[in-house]
Amino acid sequence: GQNIDQPTEMTATEGAIVQINCTYQTSGFNGLFWYQQHAGEAPTFLSYNVLDGLEEKGRFSSFLSRSKGYSYLLLKELQMKDSASYLCAVLPPNDYKLSFGAGTTVTVRA
Amino acid sequence: GAVVSQHPSWVICKSGTSVKIECRSLDFQATTMFWYRQFPKQSLMLMATSNEGSKATYEQGVEKDKFLINHASLTLSTLTVTSAHPEDSSFYICSARDPLSGYEQYFGPGTRLTVT
Repeated sequence: GQNIDQPTEMTATEGAIVQINCTYQTSGFNGLFWYQQHAGEAPTFLSYNVLDGLEEKGRFSSFLSRSKGYSYLLLKELQMKDSASYLCAVLPPNDYKLSFGAGTTVTVRA
Repeated sequence: GAVVSQHPSWVICKSGTSVKIECRSLDFQATTMFWYRQFPKQSLMLMATSNEGSKATYEQGVEKDKFLINHASLTLSTLTVTSAHPEDSSFYICSARDPLSGYEQYFGPGTRLTVT
């Protein structure tokens, strides 16, 4: 089975940094995705980690520790447009079906 | 990047009627498409996996006779909600996998279904 946990909500100030944690307990692992979803829209791809370590893409970075079943998404220099839901999703081995966490709603305040 | 479209973007129908939602991959051939449902303030729940030329695989608890899926070509999958009821009102999102692009799934813009 799949068990993926992430905080429900987070609030931060414009220009600040926010770290969204995701822990997973899954039957097998073949990578972890982070998606951003604005209200009423479809998710958009942010990152894919399959090896341990940190991957940086501009203001967004994603980290993975497979031994700890842990990932985080780091959002730097927050902008108002970053207010959205951030979804953590795990890919099992030998399959393409993603298992999604419940999502973390990030609210950026001026 | 790869583009996936959905049609319609929103639909209102009366209880008891059927609604068809189309999912198209515009610039790649998708051997596999996925259908998700998302209720307000909740995450995406996978309903079924649609494979071109074969029967869809439904997740536990999803009624295959109510949610008919047809993947007749490498660029089109359709989801038909039959005998819709108000509790079927939701945001339906499809995604498609480009076999040439690894594990990433490309999501369509979603279809908002309201059953009155």
